[in-house]
Amino acid sequence: KQEVTQIPAALSVPEGENLVLNCSFTDSAIYNLQWFRQDPGKGLTSLLLIQSSQREQTSGRLNASLDKSSGRSTLYIAASQPGDSATYLCAVSSGNTGKLIFGQGTTLQVKP
Amino acid sequence: NAGVTQTPKFRILKIGQSMTLQCTQDMNHNYMYWYRQDPGMGLKLIYYSVGAGITDKGEVPNGYNVSRSTTEDFPLRLELAAPSQTSVYFCASSDLKQGQLNQPQHFGDGTRLSIL
Repeated sequence: KQEVTQIPAALSVPEGENLVLNCSFTDSAIYNLQWFRQDPGKGLTSLLLIQSSQREQTSGRLNASLDKSSGRSTLYIAASQPGDSATYLCAVSSGNTGKLIFGQGTTLQVKP
Repeated sequence: NAGVTQTPKFRILKIGQSMTLQCTQDMNHNYMYWYRQDPGMGLKLIYYSVGAGITDKGEVPNGYNVSRSTTEDFPLRLELAAPSQTSVYFCASSDLKQGQLNQPQHFGDGTRLSIL
């Protein structure tokens, strides 16, 4: 059974720092891994999707990497800003129906 | 485009009552999903649908029912509300097609449900 774990559960950093969020999964047979952002009281916004054949994806200050063999992904946020404060969730898709298995999330606070 | 729209945004139910959570999407996506999120946890899949008339169970389906009569709508029904169903419910859709399985999911803003 696929399990997804995110460490740390919470993170607080000063503005301007570069930071890394971690995601691990137990079964390497995945189609893709997705990173989402969740603001308080809101739904999830898709940030990056990495296909199983890819090593990384970039969008602006965000870079996500995937090491399928070791069951790990990282989300790198460069030059963090207070507006980056949110909960970040990773999820893996293993079947042909797009069903996602989610980690518990990392709540990030960027202090001005 | 509105994307994925969920109603209501908040609801309080008494134990044993029933209700339907509404979800509609205007992106013509075939795949739709219902998840629940408990405090401090990730999302867990309740039910999903790969197209009108086709639904299947996810990880935590007990106590819920769904239907998919149109591409746009995917309502979730609670028949006998229990305190364990207090949660935030999210509906999502995806533009998956045969041979194109790497598509992101688009989420609604959620329905916050309390069972007292």
